[in-house]
Amino acid sequence: EVQLVESGGGLVQPGGSLRLSCAAFGFRFDDYAMHWVRQVPGKGLEWVSGINWNSGSIGYADSLKGRFTISRDNAKNSLFLQMNSLRPEDTALYYCGKDNSGYYKNGDLDSWGQGTLVTVSS
Amino acid sequence: QAGLTQPPSMSKGLRQTATLTCTGNINNIDNRGAAWLQQHQGHPPKLLSYRNNDRPSGISERFSASRSGNTASLTITGLQPEDEADYYCSAWDNSLSAVVFGGGTKLNVL
Repeated sequence: EVQLVESGGGLVQPGGSLRLSCAAFGFRFDDYAMHWVRQVPGKGLEWVSGINWNSGSIGYADSLKGRFTISRDNAKNSLFLQMNSLRPEDTALYYCGKDNSGYYKNGDLDSWGQGTLVTVSS
Repeated sequence: QAGLTQPPSMSKGLRQTATLTCTGNINNIDNRGAAWLQQHQGHPPKLLSYRNNDRPSGISERFSASRSGNTASLTITGLQPEDEADYYCSAWDNSLSAVVFGGGTKLNVL
């Protein structure tokens, strides 16, 4: 059974940084692209970033470029999101999602974690 | 960035059929199709249909997806109380180089 477990969320001041992690279980992690998607409580879904199976290609939402960095460690079955220069509008539940192909431009997220909450506030 | 367009809400009776729609453009749905996700309050999204309209393993046959041009549809037959949820469509947008989502449709089962 596929399981994705996010961690690293919390309360951070504006301008601060956080590093989110996603531990993957139950599938061959290095065969699949991965994504981060966020959701403000009570609102819709927003794609944040995606990464190919081998980190060879990476993409970001235009509004986030330059502040967020996605990465993965296939040896540790883990996905990461480094978030810098955080703003109050970055407050959201951040989900890790598995693509059903090795390429994030496929965009079919077939498994999701429970999410980790990031709150940016002074 | 621009996303896909979904009606914000729909209400249907028990055992009725609901058809949810998702409108995009030539850069997303018309080009690559759309996936459908179900999200219950307080839970993560769950994939109901891949972009090619196939259902993942374990998803009921009551859920079926289709596409016509730049509009994707999800039909739910024999509505049950547990079908009350938010439904999102998603697609890869070649122009934006991003996954785009619809705003979601809240389905109420009366």
